[in-house]
Amino acid sequence: AQKVTQAQTEISVVEKEDVTLDCVYETRDTTYYLFWYKQPPSGELVFLIRRNSFDEQNEISGRYSWNFQKSTSSFNFTITASQVVDSAVYFCALSVNQAGTALIFGKGTTLSVSS
Amino acid sequence: DTGVSQDPRHKITKRGQNVTFRCDPISEHNRLYWYRQTLGQGPEFLTYFQNEAQLEKSRLLSDRFSAERPKGSFSTLEIQRTEQGDSAMYLCASSPGQGVNNEQFFGPGTRLTVL
Repeated sequence: AQKVTQAQTEISVVEKEDVTLDCVYETRDTTYYLFWYKQPPSGELVFLIRRNSFDEQNEISGRYSWNFQKSTSSFNFTITASQVVDSAVYFCALSVNQAGTALIFGKGTTLSVSS
Repeated sequence: DTGVSQDPRHKITKRGQNVTFRCDPISEHNRLYWYRQTLGQGPEFLTYFQNEAQLEKSRLLSDRFSAERPKGSFSTLEIQRTEQGDSAMYLCASSPGQGVNNEQFFGPGTRLTVL
């Protein structure tokens, strides 16, 4: 069975702090894809990144970076110098071929950034 | 270019009534997905279309739920004899048909409240 665990339910930081959101996944498939989505207060899910299981290179996009480690089945997301606009619920998701293309989401981490 | 649109954005109904939601995917996206999201949870997969063919259905999709995508463009999700447990945000997403496990682009959702 496939599963995504986001152990951090809520995180509160002050602007300009760095923050890391954890994601641990479970699957027996060797080919799978990992995603991060952002859900701001407006409610619409916004795609942030997709990673396949064969590419363990870390990725940086502006203030966002992702650390994929197959050895620990983790795909963590770091926001550097957080801003108030980063306040949202962040979801990690998994997709495996045997399950079609459905995304399996974690329960999400609510990030609150205060000024 | 417009994103995924959903109508209505909000629906309040009485238990036992039927409701129908509509989703218009991004133009030329072959794949269309329906998810359900309850408070404090991540989205849960309901069903998936490749063009007009419904290729996958979750066990969450009871007999009271039916989805269609008659011409491979927009889709409708109908819930018959609504129950209070059906109260949730119903999300639609679409993705391009090329390759597998592409990122899914989500609409704003339809929030259903069953009284």
